[in-house]
Amino acid sequence: QQPVQSPQAVILREGEDAVINCSSSKALYSVHWYRQKHGEAPVFLMILLKGGEQKGHEKISASFNEKKQQSSLYLTASQLSYSGTYFCGTEKEYNNNDMRFGAGTRLTVKP
Amino acid sequence: NAGVTQTPKFQVLKTGQSMTLQCAQDMNHEYMSWYRQDPGMGLRLIHYSVGAGITDQGEVPNGYNVSRSTTEDFPLRLLSAAPSQTSVYFCASSRDGLYNEQFFGPGTRLTVL
Repeated sequence: QQPVQSPQAVILREGEDAVINCSSSKALYSVHWYRQKHGEAPVFLMILLKGGEQKGHEKISASFNEKKQQSSLYLTASQLSYSGTYFCGTEKEYNNNDMRFGAGTRLTVKP
Repeated sequence: NAGVTQTPKFQVLKTGQSMTLQCAQDMNHEYMSWYRQDPGMGLRLIHYSVGAGITDQGEVPNGYNVSRSTTEDFPLRLLSAAPSQTSVYFCASSRDGLYNEQFFGPGTRLTVL
């Protein structure tokens, strides 16, 4: 039931774009995205709900394809501060208290 | 606001020992959770609480107990530590639902020998 993230790792130069995918074998109600820097706590980025709109702020946005049971996180014109591990969490039903997290995608942005 | 605090930051136990990981939040959040994070596994929910006096099991509850006597505190007890419980433990809280915009504490790195 754990969602599958791809790629497992990606290395970028500053200013390049990246896409991180999160896929589930089950129908989804919501997808949550978090970023975790090395040795720190995960930090919430955004939630995408079934039937909802694409979310985003500044240069980080995400989409949720309900039919494909997949979400994608888009990082545009990456900055050094974007480095970290990105996790998606997925819920199958509203308020079921059964979110599962993916194993993470390690993003490294180099100058 | 301190947000979510956890103590201790590091702990080494011997097999069979018991201990309590402390978690406190000052944001008046109803929802609190405990996760463990292992390499390649992502975060896994151990126990959660939807309010003072109400707790329930998550994905991996065996070997752990929790209680929630106040809104602020949500301690996690390891009953008899095992090497398989070596992990990084995160506490989280949220306001509008268990998973809505969770705020995580800094984590406790536990090693069981």
